[in-house]
Amino acid sequence: AQSVTQPDIHITVSEGASLELRCNYSYGATPYLFWYVQSPGQGLQLLLKYFSGDTLVQGIKGFEAEFKRSQSSFNLRKPSVHWSDAAEYFCAVGEGSGGSNYKLTFGKGTLLTVNP
Amino acid sequence: DSGVTQTPKHLITATGQRVTLRCSPRSGDLSVYWYQQSLDQGLQFLIQYYNGEERAKGNILERFSAQQFPDLHSELNLSSLELGDSALYFCASSVVTDTQYFGPGTRLTVL
Repeated sequence: AQSVTQPDIHITVSEGASLELRCNYSYGATPYLFWYVQSPGQGLQLLLKYFSGDTLVQGIKGFEAEFKRSQSSFNLRKPSVHWSDAAEYFCAVGEGSGGSNYKLTFGKGTLLTVNP
Repeated sequence: DSGVTQTPKHLITATGQRVTLRCSPRSGDLSVYWYQQSLDQGLQFLIQYYNGEERAKGNILERFSAQQFPDLHSELNLSSLELGDSALYFCASSVVTDTQYFGPGTRLTVL
């Protein structure tokens, strides 16, 4: 079965600093990979996704992620963090058995705190 | 706003009771998914429906059931509620096997 590991439970960065959130996955086939963000009391918002092609994907709010098959990783990066980026970030892998069967397996999340 | 709507936003009930959570997918999306988010288990996939038919099942308890109606809205029924069922329940929708867009969630509190 597929699994997702986010090694960092909580990360604190200063506003304007760069950010990298780690994500490692376990999946037999070529994965569909996603990053979602959840602000307090809110639902999950899609930041970016990787299905195939270019291994560096751009998302909303200035985020990007790089798929590295050899390392089974899909780390999320942002060159300069804003206070509004404080939230919880979830990495997910999509699994489908063909056709319309499909589900997401999520990591435990990384809580990002941004210091002024 | 993802276009997925969920009602109610909050639900407080007692142990042993039954509740129904409702989800309306984005316009044109045929697949609906239900997830449970709790502090100890994290985000877990419960069940998927596609155009009215159950297509995938995850860690869904036998006390829980779901269905998708002809107008594509979905309901998640939770019965014989226990304290441990307190969680945030999310609905998501997608076209087919594509990006899932999440609703704002229903927070269930079982007292």
